[in-house]
Amino acid sequence: GENVEQHPSTLSVQEGDSAVIKCTYSDSASNYFPWYKQELGKRPQLIIDIRSNVGEKKDQRIAVTLNKTAKHFSLHITETQPEDSAVYFCAASIYKLSFGAGTTVTVRA
Amino acid sequence: EADIYQTPRYLVIGTGKKITLECSQTMGHDKMYWYQQDPGMELHLIHYSYGVNSTEKGDLSSESTVSRIRTEHFPLTLESARPSHTSQYLCASSGPGPSGEQYFGPGTRLTVT
Repeated sequence: GENVEQHPSTLSVQEGDSAVIKCTYSDSASNYFPWYKQELGKRPQLIIDIRSNVGEKKDQRIAVTLNKTAKHFSLHITETQPEDSAVYFCAASIYKLSFGAGTTVTVRA
Repeated sequence: EADIYQTPRYLVIGTGKKITLECSQTMGHDKMYWYQQDPGMELHLIHYSYGVNSTEKGDLSSESTVSRIRTEHFPLTLESARPSHTSQYLCASSGPGPSGEQYFGPGTRLTVT
């Protein structure tokens, strides 16, 4: 089955700086790569996703890049704000999602 | 409004009791999932279903069982609750196609004493 590794496990950034989370996947057949944000006590929320026929996708301050050859994809958050503090999960999918272990992001004011 | 609903949201129960966690969705999705998650930790898939009368075990071994008699309803049952079952249980559903967007319910936080 698919194996997704996510790094780092924790990330602390100064407000206004950028944050980058990286994930690798094992199955080259995976074709869908979503990112979820989970705030304390809340459900995971889909924040951005990318499909294998696209190399980069951007939505305001967040962007995702995909390198199919290297089998890795990354989440970039620019101009971080305190409300970006949360646990972020990457995932890869052929028929069902395989999740990374999560990254706890803390934005320091 | 299309959403995923879970009841109860919180449950404290004694060891040995039988419990059923309810999940229903008005998203119109065929695929549904159950995950187990300790707060802020990994999401572990314990069961999934691709449609009515279809159920599969997930990646994490679980003593729970599921049923899918109606498209919108996917209950999870623990025949005999144990303290090791204490966790949060998240239901999810996803849209059409092999890689449809997946959405989560609000979760049930279960404590077994």
